[in-house]
Amino acid sequence: AQRVTQPEKLLSVFKGAPVELKCNYSYSGSPELFWYVQYSRQRLQLLLRHISRESIKGFTADLNKGETSFHLKKPFAQEEDSAMYYCALKKQAGTALIFGKGTTLSVSS
Amino acid sequence: EPEVTQTPSHQVTQMGQEVILRCVPISNHLYFYWYRQILGQKVEFLVSFYNNEISEKSEIFDDQFSVERPDGSNFTLKIRSTKLEDSAMYFCASNAGLAVGEQFFGPGTRLTVL
Repeated sequence: AQRVTQPEKLLSVFKGAPVELKCNYSYSGSPELFWYVQYSRQRLQLLLRHISRESIKGFTADLNKGETSFHLKKPFAQEEDSAMYYCALKKQAGTALIFGKGTTLSVSS
Repeated sequence: EPEVTQTPSHQVTQMGQEVILRCVPISNHLYFYWYRQILGQKVEFLVSFYNNEISEKSEIFDDQFSVERPDGSNFTLKIRSTKLEDSAMYFCASNAGLAVGEQFFGPGTRLTVL
């Protein structure tokens, strides 16, 4: 069965420190991977998707098919990055997003 | 910028009652979705809807659930006889097509079943 694992429930870092939010997946086909973010009192919104290979708000994520991972990274965390981050997978030819449990990122000064 | 809207923001109901959660997807979108998130748990897919029919559903989406697009703008989720375990945040989402990838989410409806 398809599964997305985010092993950390909470990640606390200081402003300016590097951040890595881990995401591993299990799926035998070619998935599409996403990172969604939910800031306090706001709706879920797309942060980035692996096929665009872009950097959004300084975040990047690389799909590693060998390790079945899609970790989210940022070299220097900002306080405004504090939010809940969800990794999600879409199956080939599917419609559903399969979410991980989410990681709360807390950035303090 | 167009957004997905959902009403009500909070619904309280008694166990066994029927509830209808409403969503207005972004107007030119073709695919519509419902997800739910029980407190403290992950966001779970319920159903996707395209061209006036269900295109995919999860095992959660049993006979107690139904979806409808009653007119050109609304997309509804009906729970026929609510159970305590249906208490959750329900999110509607839409996207323009499968190739687009990104699903745009509404703010959610918090359903509390007493």
